[in-house]
Amino acid sequence: GAGVSQTPSNKVTEKGKYVELRCDPISGHTALYWYRQSLGQGPEFLIYFQGTGAADDSGLPNDRFFAVRPEGSVSTLKIQRTERGDSAVYLCASSPGTEYGGELFFGEGSRLTVL
Amino acid sequence: GESVGLHLPTLSVQEGDNSIINCAYSNSASDYFIWYKQESGKGPQFIIDIRSNMDKRQGQRVTVLLNKTVKHLSLQIAATQPGDSAVYFCAENKAAGNKLTFGGGTRVLVKP
Repeated sequence: GAGVSQTPSNKVTEKGKYVELRCDPISGHTALYWYRQSLGQGPEFLIYFQGTGAADDSGLPNDRFFAVRPEGSVSTLKIQRTERGDSAVYLCASSPGTEYGGELFFGEGSRLTVL
Repeated sequence: GESVGLHLPTLSVQEGDNSIINCAYSNSASDYFIWYKQESGKGPQFIIDIRSNMDKRQGQRVTVLLNKTVKHLSLQIAATQPGDSAVYFCAENKAAGNKLTFGGGTRVLVKP
């Protein structure tokens, strides 16, 4: 029983570059979430998917951030024209459905460093 | 991996003692309150949750208390073990869809 898998685990890029972060949720989980965690802070909601559609993208900070989940399984978070302030750990989580109270299954995160 | 707890409040506990971690929340409309544990370099791990219509819930070695009058949530860990050393976050579920709002976290250090 594999958990949530995120790749890459670490990504170093230069300011202005484009970055893709991938999330492979637990098999059968229909809901998928992206969070961002800065050092010393709690995770901050970005977006969640129910199936293929983005049910709530209110946490995306601006239009440089975009996420897709074309087949209802793997998701990719895309960041254009990266800025130093984008440096953080990007966490992906999944759950069997959105009717659950609060148990999300998190991956280990992708640490993004923008130089 | 780099620790996520470098600038967090820290609770130092002797192994075998009980730990109490506190959290204040702001939204009275939250449906669930949840505690997560995060070890260095890892993602948060669910510990226990409590519905807003309850005031206490017990799990294995953990108890969550909810005081809606003062908007306060606490996590009690019995007989704290070295493996309990981590950063603990409280979170609220304010709306359908498991969109969680996390608090700032408390680092727990267990001394042998």
